[in-house]
Amino acid sequence: ETGVTQSPTHLIKTRGQQVTLRCSSQSGHNTVSWYQQALGQGPQFIFQYYREEENGRGNFPPRFSGLQFPNYSSELNVNALELDDSALYLCASSRADSGNTEAFFGQGTRLTVV
Amino acid sequence: AQSVTQLGSHVSVSEGALVLLRCNYSSSVPPYLFWYVQYPNQGLQLLLKYTSAATLVKGINGFEAEFKKSETSFHLTKPSAHMSDAAEYFCAVSDPIYNQGGKLIFGQGTELSVKP
Repeated sequence: ETGVTQSPTHLIKTRGQQVTLRCSSQSGHNTVSWYQQALGQGPQFIFQYYREEENGRGNFPPRFSGLQFPNYSSELNVNALELDDSALYLCASSRADSGNTEAFFGQGTRLTVV
Repeated sequence: AQSVTQLGSHVSVSEGALVLLRCNYSSSVPPYLFWYVQYPNQGLQLLLKYTSAATLVKGINGFEAEFKKSETSFHLTKPSAHMSDAAEYFCAVSDPIYNQGGKLIFGQGTELSVKP
């Protein structure tokens, strides 16, 4: 059983650029959630994708967008990068079955905006 | 709205001493509650979870937590700390009605240091 994998592990971008982060969900999982973790903070929920549709969104502006593919992998796109977007971005996968409660996290992508 | 408060951003214990990390939650419905651990430059690993079954929950690495509805608390304990327990610990809450796994609200985290 493969775990949740994210790529790239580290990334440096310039303010105003666009970035795409990728996540492969754990085998058998159909739901992907994305989180932003600023330095010294807890993770903040960005949005969740289920069956290729957005299924809930946190308090993030529209320049944060995502996709989920038929194989349940996912992308997080951020346009017009700002310095405050520098953070660890975490992807979590889960299975949306009755009674399911557990999300498994990837290692994260460390984004630095300069 | 749901929220989580972790009391104490830094906790330091001696090796072999009791570990107690505090978490209080706010929720309008009976919540699901989780504790995660994060080692430096890594993702989050689930330690344990409460999903309305037994109020005393046992997790991995000797950790356990007790759900106390009257106190809206879900404190994490371990009888004897090991050096390898040094990490960041996060308490999280989710709404079981809308939960499809993954919609979590996290606390600010507690950094645990273990002294030899």
